[in-house]
Amino acid sequence: DTGVSQNPRHKITKRGQNVTFRCDPISEHNRLYWYRQTLGQGPEFLTYFQNEAQLEKSRLLSDRFSAERPKGSFSTLEIQRTEQGDSAMYLCASSIRLALYNEQFFGPGTRLTVL
Amino acid sequence: AQTVTQSQPEMSVQEAETVTLSCTYDTSENNYYLFWYKQPPSRQMILVIRQEAYKQQNATENRFSVNFQKAAKSFSLKISDSQLGDTAMYFCAFMPPPNYGQNFVFGPGTRLSVLP
Repeated sequence: DTGVSQNPRHKITKRGQNVTFRCDPISEHNRLYWYRQTLGQGPEFLTYFQNEAQLEKSRLLSDRFSAERPKGSFSTLEIQRTEQGDSAMYLCASSIRLALYNEQFFGPGTRLTVL
Repeated sequence: AQTVTQSQPEMSVQEAETVTLSCTYDTSENNYYLFWYKQPPSRQMILVIRQEAYKQQNATENRFSVNFQKAAKSFSLKISDSQLGDTAMYFCAFMPPPNYGQNFVFGPGTRLSVLP
Protein backbone atom coordinates (compact mmCIF):
# COMPACT_ATOMS: atom_id res chain seq x y z
CA ASP A 1 0.00 0.00 0.00
CA THR A 2 1.66 3.21 -1.11
CA GLY A 3 -1.00 5.76 -0.14
CA VAL A 4 -2.35 7.40 2.99
CA SER A 5 -4.91 5.23 4.72
CA GLN A 6 -7.57 6.21 7.23
CA ASN A 7 -9.75 4.10 9.47
CA PRO A 8 -12.61 3.83 9.89
CA ARG A 9 -14.01 5.23 6.66
CA HIS A 10 -17.36 5.94 8.28
CA LYS A 11 -18.34 6.45 11.89
CA ILE A 12 -21.81 7.05 13.29
CA THR A 13 -22.02 7.96 16.93
CA LYS A 14 -24.42 9.48 19.40
CA ARG A 15 -23.92 12.94 20.82
CA GLY A 16 -21.73 12.87 23.89
CA GLN A 17 -19.74 9.78 22.89
CA ASN A 18 -16.00 9.76 22.25
CA VAL A 19 -14.58 8.74 18.89
CA THR A 20 -11.06 8.04 17.65
CA PHE A 21 -9.80 8.03 14.08
CA ARG A 22 -6.54 6.63 12.80
CA CYS A 23 -4.30 7.79 9.96
CA ASP A 24 -1.39 5.85 8.49
CA PRO A 25 0.77 8.12 6.34
CA ILE A 26 3.01 7.16 3.46
CA SER A 27 5.89 5.36 5.15
CA GLU A 28 8.75 7.77 4.45
CA HIS A 29 6.70 10.92 5.08
CA ASN A 30 7.66 12.76 8.25
CA ARG A 31 4.88 15.35 8.14
CA LEU A 32 1.27 14.59 8.90
CA TYR A 33 -1.77 16.89 8.78
CA TRP A 34 -5.38 16.69 9.91
CA TYR A 35 -8.15 18.66 8.18
CA ARG A 36 -11.90 18.88 8.62
CA GLN A 37 -14.18 19.21 5.61
CA THR A 38 -17.86 20.01 5.94
CA LEU A 39 -20.33 19.53 3.12
CA GLY A 40 -19.78 21.91 0.27
CA GLN A 41 -16.66 23.45 1.78
CA GLY A 42 -12.94 23.12 1.34
CA PRO A 43 -10.81 21.38 3.95
CA GLU A 44 -9.96 23.40 7.07
CA PHE A 45 -6.63 22.87 8.77
CA LEU A 46 -6.75 21.35 12.26
CA THR A 47 -3.23 20.34 13.23
CA TYR A 48 0.19 19.36 11.91
CA PHE A 49 2.94 17.02 13.08
CA GLN A 50 6.56 16.82 12.09
CA ASN A 51 7.69 13.39 13.20
CA GLU A 52 6.14 12.98 16.66
CA ALA A 53 6.03 16.69 17.49
CA GLN A 54 2.74 18.54 17.14
CA LEU A 55 3.91 21.87 15.71
CA GLU A 56 0.69 23.68 14.87
CA LYS A 57 -2.87 23.65 16.11
CA SER A 58 -5.77 25.58 14.64
CA ARG A 59 -8.17 27.48 16.85
CA LEU A 60 -10.76 25.09 15.38
CA LEU A 61 -9.17 22.38 17.52
CA SER A 62 -11.13 22.88 20.73
CA ASP A 63 -10.18 21.21 24.00
CA ARG A 64 -12.46 18.31 23.08
CA PHE A 65 -10.08 17.41 20.27
CA SER A 66 -6.71 15.77 20.76
CA ALA A 67 -4.25 14.39 18.27
CA GLU A 68 -1.20 12.24 18.77
CA ARG A 69 1.51 10.76 16.64
CA PRO A 70 3.51 8.40 18.83
CA LYS A 71 6.87 7.39 17.39
CA GLY A 72 6.28 9.61 14.40
CA SER A 73 4.37 6.99 12.45
CA PHE A 74 0.57 6.68 12.51
CA SER A 75 -1.59 9.36 14.08
CA THR A 76 -4.86 9.35 15.98
CA LEU A 77 -7.45 12.10 16.28
CA GLU A 78 -9.83 11.80 19.23
CA ILE A 79 -12.98 13.82 19.74
CA GLN A 80 -14.46 13.71 23.22
CA ARG A 81 -18.10 14.44 24.06
CA THR A 82 -19.05 14.70 20.39
CA GLU A 83 -21.53 17.33 19.27
CA GLN A 84 -23.70 17.43 16.17
CA GLY A 85 -21.50 20.21 14.83
CA ASP A 86 -18.60 17.77 14.72
CA SER A 87 -20.25 15.92 11.85
CA ALA A 88 -17.85 16.25 8.94
CA MET A 89 -15.25 14.47 6.86
CA TYR A 90 -11.91 14.28 8.66
CA LEU A 91 -9.01 14.19 6.23
CA CYS A 92 -5.43 13.19 6.89
CA ALA A 93 -2.53 14.13 4.65
CA SER A 94 1.19 13.45 4.72
CA SER A 95 4.22 14.96 3.08
CA ILE A 96 7.99 14.95 3.01
CA ARG A 97 10.11 18.04 2.78
CA LEU A 98 11.27 18.75 -0.75
CA ALA A 99 12.81 22.15 -1.38
CA LEU A 100 10.67 24.94 0.05
CA TYR A 101 7.26 23.38 -0.31
CA ASN A 102 5.83 19.94 0.09
CA GLU A 103 3.03 18.29 -1.80
CA GLN A 104 0.48 16.89 0.58
CA PHE A 105 -0.93 13.45 -0.21
CA PHE A 106 -4.43 12.97 1.12
CA GLY A 107 -6.16 9.93 2.52
CA PRO A 108 -9.77 8.97 1.70
CA GLY A 109 -11.08 10.53 4.90
CA THR A 110 -13.25 9.40 7.78
CA ARG A 111 -16.85 10.58 7.59
CA LEU A 112 -18.25 11.25 11.05
CA THR A 113 -21.98 11.51 11.68
CA VAL A 114 -23.09 12.58 15.15
CA LEU A 115 -26.74 11.83 15.86
CA ALA B 1 -4.84 35.79 7.66
CA GLN B 2 -4.83 34.42 4.17
CA THR B 3 -8.11 33.74 2.38
CA VAL B 4 -8.93 31.92 -0.84
CA THR B 5 -12.05 32.63 -2.87
CA GLN B 6 -13.56 30.54 -5.63
CA SER B 7 -16.49 32.45 -7.07
CA GLN B 8 -17.96 29.63 -9.17
CA PRO B 9 -19.70 27.04 -6.98
CA GLU B 10 -20.62 24.92 -10.00
CA MET B 11 -19.59 24.72 -13.63
CA SER B 12 -20.22 22.40 -16.52
CA VAL B 13 -18.43 21.82 -19.80
CA GLN B 14 -18.94 19.60 -22.80
CA GLU B 15 -16.51 16.78 -23.32
CA ALA B 16 -13.47 17.89 -25.39
CA GLU B 17 -14.14 21.58 -24.68
CA THR B 18 -12.03 23.94 -22.57
CA VAL B 19 -13.07 25.33 -19.19
CA THR B 20 -11.48 27.83 -16.83
CA LEU B 21 -11.96 27.78 -13.06
CA SER B 22 -11.33 30.99 -11.13
CA CYS B 23 -9.48 31.52 -7.88
CA THR B 24 -8.45 34.66 -6.06
CA TYR B 25 -6.60 34.93 -2.81
CA ASP B 26 -5.57 37.52 -0.30
CA THR B 27 -2.14 37.71 1.29
CA SER B 28 0.44 40.27 2.24
CA GLU B 29 3.27 37.83 1.62
CA ASN B 30 5.53 37.93 -1.42
CA ASN B 31 6.64 34.32 -1.44
CA TYR B 32 4.08 31.55 -1.28
CA TYR B 33 2.77 28.56 -3.18
CA LEU B 34 -0.52 27.94 -4.92
CA PHE B 35 -2.12 24.62 -5.76
CA TRP B 36 -5.13 23.14 -7.48
CA TYR B 37 -6.44 19.90 -6.00
CA LYS B 38 -9.08 17.64 -7.53
CA GLN B 39 -11.53 15.61 -5.43
CA PRO B 40 -13.53 13.12 -7.54
CA PRO B 41 -16.84 11.89 -6.12
CA SER B 42 -16.21 9.62 -3.12
CA ARG B 43 -12.49 9.57 -3.80
CA GLN B 44 -9.50 11.21 -2.23
CA MET B 45 -7.98 14.52 -3.20
CA ILE B 46 -5.10 14.54 -5.63
CA LEU B 47 -2.80 17.33 -6.72
CA VAL B 48 -3.47 18.72 -10.19
CA ILE B 49 -0.92 21.49 -10.50
CA ARG B 50 1.20 23.84 -8.38
CA GLN B 51 2.76 27.26 -8.85
CA GLU B 52 5.55 28.98 -6.95
CA ALA B 53 4.81 32.69 -6.53
CA TYR B 54 8.38 33.70 -7.39
CA LYS B 55 8.09 32.09 -10.82
CA GLN B 56 6.59 34.28 -13.53
CA GLN B 57 6.09 31.39 -15.92
CA ASN B 58 2.69 29.76 -15.65
CA ALA B 59 2.73 26.09 -14.67
CA THR B 60 1.48 23.45 -17.11
CA GLU B 61 0.74 19.77 -16.61
CA ASN B 62 -0.54 18.07 -19.74
CA ARG B 63 -4.11 19.31 -20.29
CA PHE B 64 -4.01 21.50 -17.18
CA SER B 65 -2.50 24.97 -17.08
CA VAL B 66 -2.76 28.01 -14.85
CA ASN B 67 -2.96 31.72 -15.40
CA PHE B 68 -1.11 33.22 -12.46
CA GLN B 69 -1.52 36.98 -12.06
CA LYS B 70 0.44 37.87 -8.94
CA ALA B 71 -0.45 41.55 -8.84
CA ALA B 72 -4.14 40.73 -9.17
CA LYS B 73 -3.79 37.79 -6.76
CA SER B 74 -5.51 35.56 -9.26
CA PHE B 75 -4.78 31.90 -9.99
CA SER B 76 -7.13 30.35 -12.53
CA LEU B 77 -7.06 26.77 -13.81
CA LYS B 78 -7.64 25.95 -17.47
CA ILE B 79 -8.61 22.43 -18.44
CA SER B 80 -8.25 21.71 -22.14
CA ASP B 81 -9.87 18.82 -24.01
CA SER B 82 -12.10 18.07 -21.02
CA GLN B 83 -12.68 14.41 -20.26
CA LEU B 84 -15.47 12.68 -18.34
CA GLY B 85 -12.90 11.73 -15.68
CA ASP B 86 -12.33 15.42 -14.97
CA THR B 87 -15.71 15.54 -13.23
CA ALA B 88 -14.85 16.45 -9.63
CA MET B 89 -14.65 19.16 -7.02
CA TYR B 90 -11.69 21.42 -7.65
CA PHE B 91 -10.06 23.24 -4.76
CA CYS B 92 -7.65 26.12 -5.01
CA ALA B 93 -5.17 26.14 -2.12
CA PHE B 94 -2.63 28.61 -0.78
CA MET B 95 0.41 27.71 1.25
CA PRO B 96 2.17 30.51 3.12
CA PRO B 97 5.95 30.81 3.43
CA PRO B 98 7.69 28.26 5.68
CA ASN B 99 7.91 30.63 8.64
CA TYR B 100 4.11 30.73 8.72
CA GLY B 101 3.84 26.99 9.01
CA GLN B 102 2.93 24.27 6.61
CA ASN B 103 -0.85 24.30 6.55
CA PHE B 104 -2.83 24.89 3.41
CA VAL B 105 -5.68 27.38 3.15
CA PHE B 106 -8.31 26.00 0.82
CA GLY B 107 -11.04 27.74 -1.12
CA PRO B 108 -14.65 26.52 -0.96
CA GLY B 109 -14.32 24.59 -4.20
CA THR B 110 -15.89 24.49 -7.66
CA ARG B 111 -17.95 21.48 -8.68
CA LEU B 112 -17.12 20.70 -12.32
CA SER B 113 -19.31 18.43 -14.39
CA VAL B 114 -18.07 17.25 -17.78
CA LEU B 115 -21.01 16.40 -19.99
CA PRO B 116 -20.88 13.73 -22.72
